[in-house]
Parts: sequence; structure tokens; C-alpha cells
Amino acid sequence: NAGVTQTPKFQVLKTGQSMTLQCAQDMNHNSMYWYRQDPGMGLRLIYYSASEGTTDKGEVPNGYNVSRLNKREFSLRLESAAPSQTSVYFCASSDWGAISGNQPQHFGDGTRLSIL
Amino acid sequence: SQQGEEDPQALSIQEGENATMNCSYKTSINNLQWYRQNSGRGLVHLILIRSNEREKHSGRLRVTLDTSKKSSSLLITASRAADTASYFCATDREDSSYKLIFGSGTRLLVRP
Repeated sequence: NAGVTQTPKFQVLKTGQSMTLQCAQDMNHNSMYWYRQDPGMGLRLIYYSASEGTTDKGEVPNGYNVSRLNKREFSLRLESAAPSQTSVYFCASSDWGAISGNQPQHFGDGTRLSIL
Repeated sequence: SQQGEEDPQALSIQEGENATMNCSYKTSINNLQWYRQNSGRGLVHLILIRSNEREKHSGRLRVTLDTSKKSSSLLITASRAADTASYFCATDREDSSYKLIFGSGTRLLVRP
């Protein structure tokens, strides 16, 4: 059982380049999330998808776009990378439900992204 | 703005000692969760405590929740070197339970 898989694990970009971070989960979870983690800080929510077909902004959405491709996959796109987007990006999924409420989130091991 | 704030920011103890970390938050919640992050890895869920619960145990972990003080504590008993990691609390909000807001974490070092 792979859980949450993120690709790539490392990436170096030049300012202005674009790229897509991929995330897939095999736990049949409804909800998926993208976070960024900067040194000495906790995770900040970029975008989330409460269920297939929906996406919403989190705390720090500027400069990013997302696509919930299907129930398994949730991608994060940087259209024009900036040095301020240098960070570690984590994808997570959970079995959140209107009845069950919040459930534990399962995380991938992250993508370490440097923007030069 | 961050919902949860951990205290202390860093903690160094000897193997076998207990480690206590605290988390304070600002708004009403449905539940509070604790996560562990080993260096270079993703977060791993440890325990979830709901707003109507006061204490929860899981192995060597004990979590308490005081909603009147908007605070929680995580106690790790008989610590081991393998417990060395960063620990984060995360809260939802009563009006949006599908999002979590993470604190900045406590870095725990357990010396052998």
C-alpha cells in the first residue's frame, strides 16, 4: 500500500519557468490537500479539494493553480515560478466526510523545490 | 494566521525521560490532532482528540485537551532516541472542519 505518492522528490527551476507537482493516493480518500512548509514554520495550506470535482483556496494560493484530475490525483501547478516559492511541498489526503467530520490526514514525503 | 502554536519551540531530553509539548489555539474547534515529522519526511498522524474529549492515550502518548483554555498537551513517556522529530498540533475550525491549520512545531531531541 503506497499511501500518498508525490513526484518529483526534488526539482530546481529558474525564475519564470513553470512546472506541475503530481500527487496520487490509493486510499480512496475524498479530500486532498496541498501545503508548503518553509524553514522553522508549520505547514500552510495552498489549495484543497474537499471532494472530487471541487477545489478551493487555502491560506496562500497566490501563484498556484490546482487540478483534481480524478479521485486519486491532485496536481499543483506553478505557472511562473518565483524565488519566494522555494519551499517543500506536501500533498495529503483524508477521508473527511460531512458525517464523520475531520479525519487524520496522510502525507506524502514531499517535493523539495528550489527556484533560482 | 496560525491557529495552533506549540511551546516550547525546541526540547532536549535524555532517553527514558518524559517529554511534554503544549499547543494553544484561538478559535472554537471540532477536534485537534498531533502529528510527528522525522527529518526529510512527511507528517505522520499520531492522535486525534475531539472537542468533547478531555484525554486520550495511544501507547506511550497521552494527549489532553482543555477547550476552556483553548490548549492541548502531548506527553511522550519513557522517550527513546527514535522519538527525535518535530511535533505539530493541528486544529480544524468549528465552521470548516475539512481544513487543518498547523502550528509551527516543537523540535524534540532525545539524547541516547
